[in-house]
Amino acid sequence: TQLLEQSPQFLSIQEGENLTVYCNSSSVFSSLQWYRQEPGEGPVLLVTVVTGGEVKKLKRLTFQFGDARKDSSLHITAAQPGDTGLYLCAGARDGGSQGNLIFGKGTKLSVKP
Amino acid sequence: KAGVTQTPRYLIKTRGQQVTLSCSPISGHRSVSWYQQTPGQGLQFLFEYFSETQRNKGNFPGRFSGRQFSNSRSEMNVSTLELGDSALYLCASSFQGLVYEKLFFGSGTQLSVL
Repeated sequence: TQLLEQSPQFLSIQEGENLTVYCNSSSVFSSLQWYRQEPGEGPVLLVTVVTGGEVKKLKRLTFQFGDARKDSSLHITAAQPGDTGLYLCAGARDGGSQGNLIFGKGTKLSVKP
Repeated sequence: KAGVTQTPRYLIKTRGQQVTLSCSPISGHRSVSWYQQTPGQGLQFLFEYFSETQRNKGNFPGRFSGRQFSNSRSEMNVSTLELGDSALYLCASSFQGLVYEKLFFGSGTQLSVL
């Protein structure tokens, strides 16, 4: 059962465009993390959101956690080729150890110069 | 501070063989988790070790096993390899392995089973 659905699966845009990717679930998560993975590398944590409705900004990236803590979005303003990669969301179902962290399948973003 | 180190980076094996992958966590981190990543299934949790004990296990067959040593280094073993085991195997470490902690991933071992 895929608890976290990410959309779109693939996204190819030109440099300078804006984009939003989504992470949705029917389950409530105590927190949600966003990672970026570049080819040949492991995922790197970008942000963790904890409170429903929380918005966090990381330069041109804006992350939002849904009010009900079931969904999240990542908005990139003026995308650059360096933003290319696989964006993964991961939800923590409840307290405890890392085994309770569920990953989505990711959105593969390609930003063309 | 050195990052998470996984060896080898690439492996080619044939069906029926077994393989051992190694992971050295960040110094001071006591939790090591293993994940399998494939294009179709994404990142799937294999197991987590903390202080040499398996604390959590994902939904994988018994052919997948692991262990952790006293210095927190970890190994995972896959016996009787199948074609479907071809994947990127990622190791991640954190201080205590709590679900809200930051996970630090290695670059992975790309396993191809022929």
